[in-house]
Amino acid sequence: ELKVEQNPLFLSMQEGKNYTIYCNYSTTSDRLYWYRQDPGKSLESLFVLLSNGAVKQEGRLMASLDTKARLSTLHITAAVHDLSATYFCAGGFDFGNEKLTFGTGTRLTIIP
Amino acid sequence: GAGVSQSPSNKVTEKGKDVELRCDPISGHTALYWYRQSLGQGLEFLIYFQGNSAPDKSGLPSDRFSAERTGGSVSTLTIQRTQQEDSAVYLCASSSQRSGYEQYFGPGTRLTVT
Repeated sequence: ELKVEQNPLFLSMQEGKNYTIYCNYSTTSDRLYWYRQDPGKSLESLFVLLSNGAVKQEGRLMASLDTKARLSTLHITAAVHDLSATYFCAGGFDFGNEKLTFGTGTRLTIIP
Repeated sequence: GAGVSQSPSNKVTEKGKDVELRCDPISGHTALYWYRQSLGQGLEFLIYFQGNSAPDKSGLPSDRFSAERTGGSVSTLTIQRTQQEDSAVYLCASSSQRSGYEQYFGPGTRLTVT
């Protein structure tokens, strides 16, 4: 059974700083997803990482996947207030059944 | 195009009543998923449909929960004899091979059992 651990659970950081959210998973999963959730809203897809060494960037966010270490990271560069949200990683396996196993989420608060 | 829609957006029901939650996936998406998000359990998978078939029902928490999908499109999640622990946000997502199996989530139904 796939288990996904995410840390930290809470992250409070100042604007302009850099930080990384970590996502470890327990078994073979070469499909890793990052989602953003704003309070009271649904999940917004950020990144889909499909292979070892995959790196994707969008604005101040960059996600990477290391399938050998069973680790994905979401790096935030020069944080701005708009990035305050809860971020989830999720693992999936079995093409054709992409049920997702989610991490606990990281609640990110950017302080001016 | 239109995204995934769910109805109702909020539902308050009394313990013991039955409820039905509806999901309209993105047109053409063959796969449909139900998840539940609650404070105590986080985000949990409930059931997966491919077309009208449900090859994976492993996440349904009890036999009070059931779901169906018709016409390869709309899905209904039914909870019978609701309990307070069923209170949660129920999220629906859909995907297709064309979308690279990326799942697109609906806005959710917030269910409160009193």
